[in-house]
Amino acid sequence: KNEVEQSPQNLTAQEGEFITINCSYSVGISALHWLQQHPGGGIVSLFMLSSGKKKHGRLIATINIQEKHSSLHITASHPRDSAVYICAVVGFTGTASKLTFGTGTRLQVTL
Amino acid sequence: DGGITQSPKYLFRKEGQNVTLSCEQNLNHDAMYWYRQDPGQGLRLIYYSQIVNDFQKGDIAEGYSVSREKKESFPLTVTSAQKNPTAFYLCASSFAPLGNEQFFGPGTRLTVL
Repeated sequence: KNEVEQSPQNLTAQEGEFITINCSYSVGISALHWLQQHPGGGIVSLFMLSSGKKKHGRLIATINIQEKHSSLHITASHPRDSAVYICAVVGFTGTASKLTFGTGTRLQVTL
Repeated sequence: DGGITQSPKYLFRKEGQNVTLSCEQNLNHDAMYWYRQDPGQGLRLIYYSQIVNDFQKGDIAEGYSVSREKKESFPLTVTSAQKNPTAFYLCASSFAPLGNEQFFGPGTRLTVL
């Protein structure tokens, strides 16, 4: 079992729909990242959070440390939101922090 | 403009050849990282460096080597000892410590012929 699990693996939505992507993890963490990878391969950091909720434009990220779960929500989805969304958790290995990545959720938003 | 650059974007090499991937950042970040991405898998850490002239192995360092002679640069060499080098390689940087927000380069797609 992977330390970081994302669901769904693939998601198709129509423009305007509300979208939720989930991330569950099995290790103790100090923070969680949400990343966006565009078809060309470039990755952009969307959020880094360790508790509660963050909002940026139409994107909202929440985390529940006790339940080891985070969600990324997209309101009023648009075709330009089509990308792979990756969850990564910051754990510990020895004395150093370590990022462990989920396999990503591929989102396709159609007109 | 501040950011991370990787070159080249596409790279082809013959089996048995070493190849070096470039990564440069002008964000004044102390930490730099190399990741490998394969289809259906999460990013995996190859090497990371928290400071000039120091670097540490990640989860899949075998067959790879790095150097960190300058703060801005962290080149990755894929050696002939890497059994399955065809992959997408991403470089990233961040302010220390390692768990901080990372900024990624555009990636290099390496294909071994």
